[in-house]
Amino acid sequence: EDQVTQSPEALRLQEGESSSLNCSYTVSGLRGLFWYRQDPGKGPEFLFTLYSAGEEKEKERLKATLTKKESFLHITAPKPEDSATYLCAVQAGKGNNRLAFGKGNQVVVIP
Amino acid sequence: SAVISQKPSRDICQRGTSLTIQCQVDSQVTMMFWYRQQPGQSLTLIATANQGSEATYESGFVIDKFPISRPNLTFSTLTVSNMSPEDSSIYLCSVAAGLRETQYFGPGTRLLVL
Repeated sequence: EDQVTQSPEALRLQEGESSSLNCSYTVSGLRGLFWYRQDPGKGPEFLFTLYSAGEEKEKERLKATLTKKESFLHITAPKPEDSATYLCAVQAGKGNNRLAFGKGNQVVVIP
Repeated sequence: SAVISQKPSRDICQRGTSLTIQCQVDSQVTMMFWYRQQPGQSLTLIATANQGSEATYESGFVIDKFPISRPNLTFSTLTVSNMSPEDSSIYLCSVAAGLRETQYFGPGTRLLVL
């Protein structure tokens, strides 16, 4: 069974204080690892897909990296508008298109 | 990407009743999915809505409780039947779009069962 564990569950950062979120996974044949951002009262917003170990992707202050066992979402010099819950999900190589999600990293950036 | 809308955005229902949630996407897509997000829990796939055939349900979810319709390539409904307080949750529709079939999510339907 595909499993995704995210840590820390909650994180409070000062504005400008860089940090990293961790997503550890076990999956039978990784097809893709996904990061989403979810604001309160809204649906998840797609950020990145990573397909193979060593791959990196960036978007503004966010950078996602992937190894064979985990992914990191680095937040560089965060701003209050980066406050959100960040969700990690994996998709296995076999079977249907089901995404297996972690519980999320809740990030609060304090001005 | 895809623009997805859901109706209703939220509802408060009495136990024993049923609620049908609608999902509309702005382009034709092959795959649509229904997820549940319970408080403090991760998103869990309920079923894949297949156009022209029965939905494919995940372990722990059954058609009698969560009947799904998919009449065309832009629309689907999920019904939560004979509701109990344990069904209080956010229900999310998603679609697979683009060359890599990335999943995009709707805004969700917030359901409270009393």
